[in-house]
Amino acid sequence: NAGVTQTPKFRVLKTGQSMTLLCAQDMNHEYMYWYRQDPGMGLRLIHYSVGEGTTAKGEVPDGYNVSRLKKQNFLLGLESAAPSQTSVYFCASNDEGTGVREQYFGPGTRLTVT
Amino acid sequence: GENVEQHPSTLSVQEGDSAVIKCTYSDSASNYFPWYKQELGKRPQLIIDIRSNVGEKKDQRIAVTLNKTAKHFSLHITETQPEDSAVYFCAASRQGFQKLVFGTGTRLLVSP
Repeated sequence: NAGVTQTPKFRVLKTGQSMTLLCAQDMNHEYMYWYRQDPGMGLRLIHYSVGEGTTAKGEVPDGYNVSRLKKQNFLLGLESAAPSQTSVYFCASNDEGTGVREQYFGPGTRLTVT
Repeated sequence: GENVEQHPSTLSVQEGDSAVIKCTYSDSASNYFPWYKQELGKRPQLIIDIRSNVGEKKDQRIAVTLNKTAKHFSLHITETQPEDSAVYFCAASRQGFQKLVFGTGTRLLVSP
């Protein structure tokens, strides 16, 4: 049981390049999330999904797109990277059910845009 | 929408002392308040959470208190140890909404 995994772990992009971050979970969770973490800003929600085939915007969605074609995977895309997107990206997942359940985080992807 | 403020941003204590981190929230409908610990270079991990039908919850050396009237909640760590050094995040959510709104984090340094 690997939990939540993310690929890649590190990436350097030039301004204007595109890339996709992959998040995978093997816990059969319904809900999945993408956060970015910047110094002094905490964790900010980019997009989330409440089930296969669904996506929704979070606090800071501009410049990002997501897809959830399979329940276990949640992809985050940057179509035209900007230096402001330099950050550490975390994926998380949790259960559906009564009340809010613990979110399990992946190990993170450190992205630098030059 | 919900807004969560967290203080202090940094906290330095001596080993064995107690540490207290405070958060306030704006949405009176929020009813779930977790605390996450993030060690350097690692992922955030849940250490304790509290729901609005409870005023206090303890787990060994850590405890969380909730004041719904004042809309604030606090993390208390007693007998701190160097391995408690990390960044701690509070968060808030409403039942039925899985989204968490996080505070900006507190860097706790425990000196031997």
